[in-house]
Amino acid sequence: SQQGEEDPQALSIQEGENATMNCSYKTSINNLQWYRQNSGRGLVHLILIRSNEREKHSGRLRVTLDTSKKSSSLLITASRAADTASYFCAPQDTGFQKLVFGTGTRLLVSP
Amino acid sequence: KAGVTQTPRYLIKTRGQQVTLSCSPISGHRSVSWYQQTPGQGLQFLFEYFSETQRNKGNFPGRFSGRQFSNSRSEMNVSTLELGDSALYLCASSSWGDRAHGYTFGSGTRLTVV
Repeated sequence: SQQGEEDPQALSIQEGENATMNCSYKTSINNLQWYRQNSGRGLVHLILIRSNEREKHSGRLRVTLDTSKKSSSLLITASRAADTASYFCAPQDTGFQKLVFGTGTRLLVSP
Repeated sequence: KAGVTQTPRYLIKTRGQQVTLSCSPISGHRSVSWYQQTPGQGLQFLFEYFSETQRNKGNFPGRFSGRQFSNSRSEMNVSTLELGDSALYLCASSSWGDRAHGYTFGSGTRLTVV
């Protein structure tokens, strides 16, 4: 199993702006998953992108994957205060391997 | 369908005591994973169970143990509690071999050791 590394560590924006966070990993993957965690709560699965996919959308979320650069990005468009949370990426080598989480990106969206 | 249920939600224990946390996965999910989250160490993988067998284990001392029952419910136990065991303990359920659909996490148990 490998751990993703999120960047930046913290991001502060205004409501309505877009938020972009990045994830880098080290070795080839089967898929990469993004999760959100509101303060003191469990993680919520946002989106999964497979290694043969380059881009995926879910509502205001857009995830891209560049396997040649071993990186992924999560874009949240038209951010809302409710998007304030920590965001984690989790690369998965195979469907059977455990997920290992990095330190995440702390996003603060101010009204 | 019901989500992942963790009990209790909050717990305060004294150093040296032991504690048992419970996790009921989503119906049909047979894999349960446990994580410890602290401000200093972040999210650390504890162990994972599938069909009552431990399949993966993290780097935690033997004071941390777990088990899974035939109905897929899981418990984790921490013996001889230390102050550093204070953390949010998260449980996640998934379909083994089909985890490409992601994990579903419970709300966690907040353990405070005093």
